[in-house]
Amino acid sequence: GQQVMQIPQYQHVQEGEDFTTYCNSSTTLSNIQWYKQRPGGHPVFLIQLVKSGEVKKQKRLTFQFGEAKKNSSLHITATQTTDVGTYFCGSNTGNQFYFGTGTSLTVIP
Amino acid sequence: DGGITQSPKYLFRKEGQNVTLSCEQNLNHDAMYWYRQDPGQGLRLIYYSQIVNDFQKGDIAEGYSVSREKKESFPLTVTSAQKNPTAFYLCASRRRGRTDTQYFGPGTRLTVL
Repeated sequence: GQQVMQIPQYQHVQEGEDFTTYCNSSTTLSNIQWYKQRPGGHPVFLIQLVKSGEVKKQKRLTFQFGEAKKNSSLHITATQTTDVGTYFCGSNTGNQFYFGTGTSLTVIP
Repeated sequence: DGGITQSPKYLFRKEGQNVTLSCEQNLNHDAMYWYRQDPGQGLRLIYYSQIVNDFQKGDIAEGYSVSREKKESFPLTVTSAQKNPTAFYLCASRRRGRTDTQYFGPGTRLTVL
């Protein structure tokens, strides 16, 4: 299946520090989506990016889609304890949907 | 209140028994998916269905079976042939449109003793 790699696998930050997770694909993606899964919960859709070089913001979260549409990043400014969870990128190819391996974020108060 | 329901939240079974996990949605979505998640791991696709009475294998279908007799329902059976069935199982449906989104149920945590 399509490979969507995500780094880092784990990240611990002090509250107030910034956080970034990166998503990379060996093939061109038609779109990229980001999901957040709280501990013990299920993934929840955050955003979708479609255009080359697209940047979208949601409050302290900034999402980017690379120019070649092969990579994407999620940046959180000034993390808060409510940001704790695992962040997944994903993309659909036809009828299937492929998720990245996820980045687990721990925020230390 | 629209959404996806999975039951039960926690399930315990003895080794060698088949077990069926339910997934129901009232979002009127055509496509439905089953994923498996292991501790600290990503989501791996087991089966998916684009329409009633049709389904396809995902990356890790061995030891699992599904049916799609109704649009609203997509049950997953974990058979005794699945070598390592203990995991968190997530069902999702897909909304197509300007934003192609996956909506997830709350998940079922299966433990095989």
